[in-house]
Amino acid sequence: SAVISQKPSRDICQRGTSLTIQCQVDSQVTMMFWYRQQPGQSLTLIATANQGSEATYESGFVIDKFPISRPNLTFSTLTVSNMSPEDSSIYLCSVRDESGYTFGSGTRLTVV
Amino acid sequence: QKEVEQDPGPLSVPEGAIVSLNCTYSNSAFQYFMWYRQYSRKGPELLMYTYSSGNKEDGRFTAQVDKSSKYISLFIRDSQPSDSATYLCAMKPGTASKLTFGTGTRLQVTL
Repeated sequence: SAVISQKPSRDICQRGTSLTIQCQVDSQVTMMFWYRQQPGQSLTLIATANQGSEATYESGFVIDKFPISRPNLTFSTLTVSNMSPEDSSIYLCSVRDESGYTFGSGTRLTVV
Repeated sequence: QKEVEQDPGPLSVPEGAIVSLNCTYSNSAFQYFMWYRQYSRKGPELLMYTYSSGNKEDGRFTAQVDKSSKYISLFIRDSQPSDSATYLCAMKPGTASKLTFGTGTRLQVTL
């Protein structure tokens, strides 16, 4: 399966600021996904990022709040913009590969 | 009602016990079923991936899917302390790429 490197692993940010999370994959993949994992809740899909096209956002998530870039088949970024304490969560990138769906180790974000 | 229901636990068992983890779902379009293991401060790791109904075995792990009851299970034999983690079920329809997850069951295997 693909190996995913996600950065940063954790961060503490001030409200009103933005954080960009990077996801690097060791092989070329068509589909990349960004998830949010809040305590006691299911992993929730934020958006699907395909190279060469705009990301597709799930209900409740908008591009202005979570802009995504996908410049090539091995890299993507998710930005959490104008953060509030409600954005404190774990953010995970995932790819669809020959094994199924592989996840990065996540970014633990705390907004103060 | 959530599309996928999973008991959050925690579930505590002694070492060597057989563990049964379960999910129920409401969407009859789901055809692919997965179980992930997630250790604290790590991303989910794929354990089992099954299509439609039936059983699949891999070492100490067995996944069962009963589509008629909309019920899936993961059995862990001879459980070890290293199995202590959160187990997430996930599923999707045949043509879609979006996964729907359960909330996860936290398992603790004690010595």
